[in-house]
Amino acid sequence: AQSVTQLGSHVSVSEGALVLLRCNYSSSVPPYLFWYVQYPNQGLQLLLKYTSAATLVKGINGFEAEFKKSETSFHLTKPSAHMSDAAEYFCAVTSGSNFGNEKLTFGTGTRLTIIP
Amino acid sequence: DTAVSQTPKYLVTQMGNDKSIKCEQNLGHDTMYWYKQDSKKFLKIMFSYNNKELIINETVPNRFSPKSPDKAHLNLHINSLELGDSAVYFCASSQGGGSTEAFFGQGTRLTVV
Repeated sequence: AQSVTQLGSHVSVSEGALVLLRCNYSSSVPPYLFWYVQYPNQGLQLLLKYTSAATLVKGINGFEAEFKKSETSFHLTKPSAHMSDAAEYFCAVTSGSNFGNEKLTFGTGTRLTIIP
Repeated sequence: DTAVSQTPKYLVTQMGNDKSIKCEQNLGHDTMYWYKQDSKKFLKIMFSYNNKELIINETVPNRFSPKSPDKAHLNLHINSLELGDSAVYFCASSQGGGSTEAFFGQGTRLTVV
């Protein structure tokens, strides 16, 4: 079975500081990994995804993540936090590869707070 | 032009009632899903459909019955609602295949009183 672990349910950073949200995965096959963001009372929006093309993945809103197989990690970073980045962030891995039987397995989420 | 839309956005109902949530996607995707987000924000898949066929049924009580009249629509009917069913239910769609991302609706916040 595949799983992801997000370290830190709450992360606070100052505006302009580096954002680092941690995600480790467990998978018996090469994984597809995703970061989603959820703003209050909204659905999930894809930030970026890793599908084995490149280990450093750039996403929307200045976020990027690096896939490190040796560390089974897919940490999310942003060089300079903005107030609008305050949200819940979810790391996820897919299992299954046939149409319809793939499913996202989510981590428990990290709430990012930005301090003015 | 909303890609995945769910109705209603909020649903408050009494225990024992039956309710439905509707979902529509205009992305042309073949695969649709229902996910449940509990009070701790944990997200878990409930069902998936591919081209109107049920593919995943993730040990959900049989009070929950999904229906897909066509590949653009996936509805969720819940019988005999219980307090523990209170959650946010998200519909999603994707092109299918493990590497493709899912597009999520805005969610339906169900509160059972």
